[in-house]
Amino acid sequence: GAGVSQSPRYKVAKRGQDVALRCDPISGHVSLFWYQQALGQGPEFLTYFQNEAQLDKSGLPSDRFFAERPEGSVSTLKIQRTQQEDSAVYLCASSSTLTYGYTFGSGTRLTVV
Amino acid sequence: RKEVEQDPGPFNVPEGATVAFNCTYSNSASQSFFWYRQDCRKEPKLLMSVYSSGNEDGRFTAQLNRASQYISLLIRDSKLSDSATYLCVVGTGGFKTIFGAGTRLFVKA
Repeated sequence: GAGVSQSPRYKVAKRGQDVALRCDPISGHVSLFWYQQALGQGPEFLTYFQNEAQLDKSGLPSDRFFAERPEGSVSTLKIQRTQQEDSAVYLCASSSTLTYGYTFGSGTRLTVV
Repeated sequence: RKEVEQDPGPFNVPEGATVAFNCTYSNSASQSFFWYRQDCRKEPKLLMSVYSSGNEDGRFTAQLNRASQYISLLIRDSKLSDSATYLCVVGTGGFKTIFGAGTRLFVKA
C-alpha cells in the first residue's frame, strides 16, 4: 500500500480484556517497529521485526504484550489482560532501511476502562 | 538521566522568527540521528536526517555535535504551519531508536 495502515483506529477495552492491534506496513519494507506513546511523551520503543524475525523485544513492558509478524508483512500486537496503564497510542512504523528513518502509521488509540 | 533529552518548551515565536532547538543524547556510540515532526493527535513524520557535516533543507538546518553529544534544529522564517512538536530521535546502532519527549513550537501571527 501507499502508507502504513493500522487498525482499529480507536479501541476501548474493559480492564482484563485481550486486544489485538494490526499493522499493515508499506509493501516491501523489511523493517517493522512497534512504539507506545503516552500523552505528552515521545514514542517508546516496544519491538522490532526484520521480515518475520523478531530481533528485539526489549521494550515490551510485560509478558502480557506479544507481537508477531508470521509472514514478514502484516504484524499484530497483542495485549492480554489489559490494564489501565496500557492506555496509550500504539504506533507502527516500517522502513526499507534503518538508515533513513521510518514511516509511521496513524496509530491505534487504546483506552482501557 | 534520560537517553535523549529535549527542552519541552513551549516555544512561542512570531511569524518570520528564527528558532532553534537542541537535543542531547547520552550514548556516545549512537550512530543515526533524526528530527521528526508531530502534529497534535497525528503520527510522527520524518522531517530530516542529521548528518555529521550538518545539512539543510529549505528553511530547516540540522547539525550534529558528536563531541558534546547534541543535535540541533534551526528553523528560519517561521510559518504558522510550523507549529507542531519536534521530536529528536537517536539510533544506537542496533535496531532500537530512542525518541525524545519533544519540543512544542507555537508560531503566532
